[in-house]
Parts: sequence; structure tokens; C-alpha cells
Amino acid sequence: EVQLVQSGAEVRKPGESLRISCKTSGYSFTNYWIGWVRQMPGKGLEWMGIFYPADSDARYSSSFQGQVTMSADNSITTAYLQWATLKASDTAMYYCARMGAAGDYWGQGTPVTVSS
Amino acid sequence: EIVMTQSPATLSVSPGERATLSCRVSQSVGTNLAWYQQKPGQAPRLLIYGASTRAPGIPTRFSGSGSGTEFTLTISSLQSEDFAVYYCHQYNKWPPYTFGQGSKLEI
Repeated sequence: EVQLVQSGAEVRKPGESLRISCKTSGYSFTNYWIGWVRQMPGKGLEWMGIFYPADSDARYSSSFQGQVTMSADNSITTAYLQWATLKASDTAMYYCARMGAAGDYWGQGTPVTVSS
Repeated sequence: EIVMTQSPATLSVSPGERATLSCRVSQSVGTNLAWYQQKPGQAPRLLIYGASTRAPGIPTRFSGSGSGTEFTLTISSLQSEDFAVYYCHQYNKWPPYTFGQGSKLEI
């Protein structure tokens, strides 16, 4: 069974760093792109970027280029999304998704709150 | 960037009725289009990919059609559990993939 399990809720202050994770199982991790999606409170879905674990090919939407970094640890089939310097506007729900037939499997989401 | 426009923004229907949601794309994406359902507090769920192929486990009352720049999601006989927000998504071209703004199906 394919599963994507994301790390738990995070609360940070502006200027702090953060890394959230997406632990996958039930499929060959290096054979599929992983997508990251942001959903701000009460708003729609936005693609942040896609990442290919086999060769660490990372492609960012222009809105998120330089703001976040995608990575993965293939030995533990886990993908990561990280921020070096959080802003209040990063407050949102973040989803990872396996990009098989489109986004065919999704994590449950990680809520991130950035507030002073 | 490819722009996706969904209509209507909100559709009020009754259980048992048929619902038709549209997604217009600013340039051709062939059939590289998917539809998702999202309920409050839940992750999106893939319904349709390749414009018209139902994802595994998706009931047959959901159907997708279209190609190029015009796409439709039809729910043939609405059940209570179908009231949610629906998003279209093009995956023909990166950067970036894009979603429509969503269509809310309400009673």
C-alpha cells in the first residue's frame, strides 16, 4: 500500500528555520517525482515545486524559487521541504504528493504557523 | 505560466442531481489534466487523470472529458459525500504545474 506520512504541526517565529518531512512507503521511492503544494488558510492549492529523488532534480515554481529547498534521503525514502528564514506569510498547510498519474497519492498535510 | 479558470466558482445543487464543472486552460495541455476533490480538513484526492481516466476506487458517477483547452468534470447523480471543493490541475508543462482556483459544490 502506497503511503505518504508527513511530520506534525509546527509553530515557529519569523526568521527561524524549519524542515518538514514526507515519509513514503509501498513503492519505489526513486522512480517517482514528489510534488509539494501550499494551501494558505481559506485559499486554493499552489504548486511549490517537484523533486526527483533518483538524481535530486529539483524544479521550483518562480514564486518559491529561493524561498524553500526540496531534498530527500533515499535511504529512508523520505522527502523534505525546508525554509532558512520563515516569514509570517509562510503560514499555511503544506502537502506532499507522489506524482504518478498526476498527484495520485498525498500526505495528510503539515500545518505550519509562523507568528511572533 | 499556464492559467486555469474554473467555473462556476460555486454550484448549488441537490442530492441526486447532475453537476457539471468546467476548467478552461490558457494554452493547450493535450489530455494532461487531472481533477481533485478536497473536503474540509482533508488532503486533495485524485479523481480523474489523463482528462478522462478515473483513478482507482473512484465511483463511476464521476467522469471527465475534454482535451486541449476545455475540460469538464461531471458527477452524474450527486451523493451527500460529493459536496466539496473540486480543483483541476494541468501537468503538461513545468514550470510550473498549475491548479484552477477551485469550484465549490454545495447543497
